[in-house]
Amino acid sequence: DVKVTQSSRYLVKRTGEKVFLECVQDMDHENMFWYRQDPGLGLRLIYFSYDVKMKEKGDIPEGYSVSREKKERFSLILESASTNQTSMYLCASSFAWEQYFGPGTRLTVT
Amino acid sequence: GENVEQHPSTLSVQEGDSAVIKCTYSDSASNYFPWYKQELGKGPQLIIDIRSNVGEKKDQRIAVTLNKTAKHFSLHITETQPEDSAVYFCAASSQNSGGSNYKLTFGKGTLLTVNP
Repeated sequence: DVKVTQSSRYLVKRTGEKVFLECVQDMDHENMFWYRQDPGLGLRLIYFSYDVKMKEKGDIPEGYSVSREKKERFSLILESASTNQTSMYLCASSFAWEQYFGPGTRLTVT
Repeated sequence: GENVEQHPSTLSVQEGDSAVIKCTYSDSASNYFPWYKQELGKGPQLIIDIRSNVGEKKDQRIAVTLNKTAKHFSLHITETQPEDSAVYFCAASSQNSGGSNYKLTFGKGTLLTVNP
């Protein structure tokens, strides 16, 4: 079974803090994705990566950056957290079209 | 870029009834259309998908139909059960400028409630 793990299920941070969300997959997938999920807005792609050190902006990259130093790990970075970044963050990985999702991190920025 | 519209946003049915969720997409180049189910507290999971060279696909109680001319596709669940209650997302493949073509654009989701 493919396993995608995310470092935290729940996270509370203060405005202005630098926040790291970590995602690890165990299936040697080339592709990894970060989404945010908000009520009524569905899943919106923040960034994706198709190889180590390769990344591309998704639909809503503003305020975020990413890092992929190893194939199995894809990190989402909030350089200076703001209250409008309070959301559920989902990581996914894929070899081809089927994406495997982690359980999500619910981030609250106060 | 690709735009995917999904309707309805909420759907409530009685156990045993059928449920239908519909999606439209904008990019005629899209050729892969998956459906994901998200149960409470979990990440979405693929339940069925269809490619553009096929008009219909079935897997037990679940079926997906695709009309490429009209650019819409639908999920059909028959004989619904309480465990079908979840949020369902449709998606369509998207073209991107990078090296990977495995990018999806998701609809906003449908909360399906199956009442016992």
